[in-house]
Amino acid sequence: KAGVTQTPRYLIKTRGQQVTLSCSPISGHRSVSWYQQTPGQGLQFLFEYFSETQRNKGNFPGRFSGRQFSNSRSEMNVSTLELGDSALYLCASNGLAGGGEQFFGPGTRLTVL
Amino acid sequence: GQQVMQIPQYQHVQEGEDFTTYCNSSTTLSNIQWYKQRPGGHPVFLIQLVKSGEVKKQKRLTFQFGEAKKNSSLHITATQTTDVGTYFCAGRNNQGGKLIFGQGTELSVKP
Repeated sequence: KAGVTQTPRYLIKTRGQQVTLSCSPISGHRSVSWYQQTPGQGLQFLFEYFSETQRNKGNFPGRFSGRQFSNSRSEMNVSTLELGDSALYLCASNGLAGGGEQFFGPGTRLTVL
Repeated sequence: GQQVMQIPQYQHVQEGEDFTTYCNSSTTLSNIQWYKQRPGGHPVFLIQLVKSGEVKKQKRLTFQFGEAKKNSSLHITATQTTDVGTYFCAGRNNQGGKLIFGQGTELSVKP
């Protein structure tokens, strides 16, 4: 069974631009969560989707948004990028809504210049 | 809001020594999970604890969930160089709630 895939793996953007990151969960998994990982802040929860519905949301500004498609693939978008948005963005899937083991993808490394 | 604190932030040990990381939540948790992230890698699930006072072992790793379900610990006996990485705890304060991660404990092992 293929694991969680994330594209792109690396991204360089400049301040003010926007970016879209993609995540394909493990086949059959309907729950996808997104996390931002930085050296100083650890893993910060962004949002969680289950069957195309946002179930939970973290404490991030409205510039951060996401969605989930009917095939469970998910995208997150960050608009008006700031230097502080530079981070590793991790996607995780699991087969349950709001519970169970999280299977993480390799992440997208975003650098904002 | 819910917070999960983890200590220590860093731990340097000699190979063969023991290692423990502690996790404390500001609220009662429905369950707690532990993950390991190797340098340059992504977090990998180790275990989930659900019951009050639960203790689980995986070879040299021992996981505990406190009686009040607000704290947890991971203990590694006789560390090896393969144990190097960052260990995270993560908890939910209710079934279906968001999973909140601790800041992680970075373990380095000197051979």
